[in-house]
Amino acid sequence: EVHLLESGGGLVQPGGSLRLSCAASGFTFSTYAMSWVRQAPGKGLEWVSAISGGGGSTYYAGSVKGRFTISRDNSKNTLYLRMNSLRAEDTAVYYCAKVRGYYYGSGSFLDYWGQGTLVTVSS
Amino acid sequence: DIQMTQSPSSLSASVGDRVTITCRASQGISNSLAWYQQKPGKAPKLLLYAASRLESGVPSRFSGSGSGTDYTLTTSSLQPEDFATYYCQQYYGTPWTFGQGTKVEIK
Repeated sequence: EVHLLESGGGLVQPGGSLRLSCAASGFTFSTYAMSWVRQAPGKGLEWVSAISGGGGSTYYAGSVKGRFTISRDNSKNTLYLRMNSLRAEDTAVYYCAKVRGYYYGSGSFLDYWGQGTLVTVSS
Repeated sequence: DIQMTQSPSSLSASVGDRVTITCRASQGISNSLAWYQQKPGKAPKLLLYAASRLESGVPSRFSGSGSGTDYTLTTSSLQPEDFATYYCQQYYGTPWTFGQGTKVEIK
């Protein structure tokens, strides 16, 4: 059974940094791309970032490019999201999700999601 | 970016009703469409992909159809556990984009 468990969320001041983690189990982690999707309070879903199975290719939404960094440690079956220069508009539940495919892009989609971790950016 | 527009934004229905939600893309997406169900406080759950392929374990009362820019999600007979918010998502182009969601409430 696929299981994704996010951690690392919390309250951070504007301009601050945070690192999210996602521990994965139940599948061969290194053979699938992974992604982060966020949901602001009471709002819809927004794709944030993705990384290929081997970690060599990374992708970002325009709203976070240059501020967020996605990475993975396949030896630990763990996905990360480093978030710098945080803004109030980054406040959201951040979901880790498994991609059905090695790469992010056309033909692949999200098939399993974690329960999410809440990031609140406020002074 | 490809814009996804769902309609309606919300609807009220009764158990046993047939319910249809529409998703329109700003350009053709060649059936590269997924549907997700989200219950309050929970993670989204994949229902269908490739516009009409039912994910394993999802009840057959859910079905999807469409082509080009217009797609639909239909629940043939709404059950109590189906009251939730539904999102469409295109994966034809990058970045992936979602519809704004359709909340299905109890009448």
